[in-house]
Amino acid sequence: GQQVMQIPQYQHVQEGEDFTTYCNSSTTLSNIQWYKQRPGGHPVFLIQLVKSGEVKKQKRLTFQFGEAKKNSSLHITATQTTDVGTYFCAGRNTGGFKTIFGAGTRLFVKA
Amino acid sequence: DSGVTQTPKHLITATGQRVTLRCSPRSGDLSVYWYQQSLDQGLQFLIQYYNGEERAKGNILERFSAQQFPDLHSELNLSSLELGDSALYFCASSPHGTDPDTQYFGPGTRLTVL
Repeated sequence: GQQVMQIPQYQHVQEGEDFTTYCNSSTTLSNIQWYKQRPGGHPVFLIQLVKSGEVKKQKRLTFQFGEAKKNSSLHITATQTTDVGTYFCAGRNTGGFKTIFGAGTRLFVKA
Repeated sequence: DSGVTQTPKHLITATGQRVTLRCSPRSGDLSVYWYQQSLDQGLQFLIQYYNGEERAKGNILERFSAQQFPDLHSELNLSSLELGDSALYFCASSPHGTDPDTQYFGPGTRLTVL
């Protein structure tokens, strides 16, 4: 079945350093979504990518969708303590209904 | 505030018992999803309903069942509870439940089985 792998599982950074999390699917995706879950909170939608090779930016966050629509990345420039939390990618198979979440990357930022 | 409500916020019960978790989707959203998140783990998709009908099924145990009512609220029933069922249960809703679609998560119900 469809699998969405996300790496790394954990990342510790010093405030001001950059951070990247990667998401890889075993199958072609129709779209990919990114969510952020703060400690003790619920997942909150960040962005959705639909087109092959798409790149979107939200302030210090840059999201990419691979040309083959099988991988994606989230890059945070100059991390801040407010960036702490777990970042999940979620992908849906082309023509399918199930959205599969990656295991998440937990980001720790040291001030 | 996502607009998705879940009750109760916390639930403590004993092994072997049965509980019902309730979810009200955002106004106008037709699709409801249920997820299980064990301590420091990822989101395990359980089941999705769209406008009252089951749309997709994940790794939902036979002891678990769900339904979506005509007013679009949903309930997740967990029976013969085991210690391993202790987790956060999230409900999410989306406008259509089709592709592409953003999911809006509720605050979750924390279930503790003693």
